[in-house]
Amino acid sequence: EAGVVQSPRYKIIEKKQPVAFWCNPISGHNTLYWYRQNLGQGPELLIRYENEEAVDDSQLPKDRFSAERLKGVDSTLKIQPAELGDSAVYLCASSLLGGLHYEQYFGPGTRLTVT
Amino acid sequence: SQQGEEDPQALSIQEGENATMNCSYKTSINNLQWYRQNSGRGLVHLILIRSNEREKHSGRLRVTLDTSKKSSSLLITASRAADTASYFCATAAQAGTALIFGKGTTLSVSS
Repeated sequence: EAGVVQSPRYKIIEKKQPVAFWCNPISGHNTLYWYRQNLGQGPELLIRYENEEAVDDSQLPKDRFSAERLKGVDSTLKIQPAELGDSAVYLCASSLLGGLHYEQYFGPGTRLTVT
Repeated sequence: SQQGEEDPQALSIQEGENATMNCSYKTSINNLQWYRQNSGRGLVHLILIRSNEREKHSGRLRVTLDTSKKSSSLLITASRAADTASYFCATAAQAGTALIFGKGTTLSVSS
């Protein structure tokens, strides 16, 4: 079974530039999460989707961040414009809500460096 | 914001020794999960324990949960160099909701 796929793995951009991250969750998983992990910290949620619906985006900085999950499968997270403080690893995870298992499965992440 | 704290922040042991990491959290939970993260990689799920469980085993891993103290511990027995990684505990208020992670414990196992 393929795991969560993310691309790109690394991205270096100048501040004020836009950037987008893509995530393909595990097949059949209806719940998708985007987390941000700063250096030396644990991940923190940005947004959670159940199918196509964003059910928790309270931690998403909506002035510059946006996300979408078309057709309830793949998802894209965008930052425009990027700031120096956005440098972090962006992790996508998926899970099957409603099953007996509540584990979240994480992708390898996208390491963003803003210069 | 971080839910809780792992203790210790860093742990160095020899191969074959046991490693114990502790986690404290602040609010009521549905379940608590432990994850491992190798340098520069994503998080790997290790074990989940539900709020009505007190202990769980998986291979060389043993997890305990004390909801009255809002704390959990992860024991890795007979550690190996390949266990070198950061270990995070994460809590979920309800099944399927976002995980709230601690800052992690960095484990170094030397051969």
